[in-house]
Amino acid sequence: RKEVEQDPGPFNVPEGATVAFNCTYSNSASQSFFWYRQDCRKEPKLLMSVYSSGNEDGRFTAQLNRASQYISLLIRDSKLSDSATYLCVVNKNNNDMRFGAGTRLTVKP
Amino acid sequence: NAGVTQTPKFQVLKTGQSMTLQCAQDMNHEYMSWYRQDPGMGLRLIHYSVGAGITDQGEVPNGYNVSRSTTEDFPLRLLSAAPSQTSVYFCASSYLRTGNYGYTFGSGTRLTVV
Repeated sequence: RKEVEQDPGPFNVPEGATVAFNCTYSNSASQSFFWYRQDCRKEPKLLMSVYSSGNEDGRFTAQLNRASQYISLLIRDSKLSDSATYLCVVNKNNNDMRFGAGTRLTVKP
Repeated sequence: NAGVTQTPKFQVLKTGQSMTLQCAQDMNHEYMSWYRQDPGMGLRLIHYSVGAGITDQGEVPNGYNVSRSTTEDFPLRLLSAAPSQTSVYFCASSYLRTGNYGYTFGSGTRLTVV
């Protein structure tokens, strides 16, 4: 079983739609959690950290469920520019980050 | 600030050749690491360093060496390239205790071994 699992997609949604991605992790001792965005043939870039209480950054909302060991990312009012691969990242212990394989999102006009 | 700089951006090697991928950061980050990214696999940690003179192995270290003589530089050496090392390589850095800050990545090196 992979340490961090994501649905690879692709998710194809129209502009303005709301889309949600989930990610599960296997190590219950994991300490911190992130969502990264990766555009085609580019490096991953930090989208947002995921806090235990949940957090929001504009159209993006991240949630953490420690009991069930999953993380979610909700994107509201999707834009064409949101098309990318979204990577779930779990900090297993300090500085040992484990990456999911990513979920591909395509937003269509 | 340049952030994390990787060179070269592209490289083709013949099986058995050796080469060094360069990584430099100007953010005074203590932690630096090398990942490889293969389709469907996610990024996998090759080697990492928590400071000058200190290195350690990650998930997939075989066939690679690293050194950290300065805070800024963390080169990755392929000793004898194999086709299985065809991949995209990313260097990343962060403060030692990442907390909620995550990593800064370089733009990657696309390596093909023929």
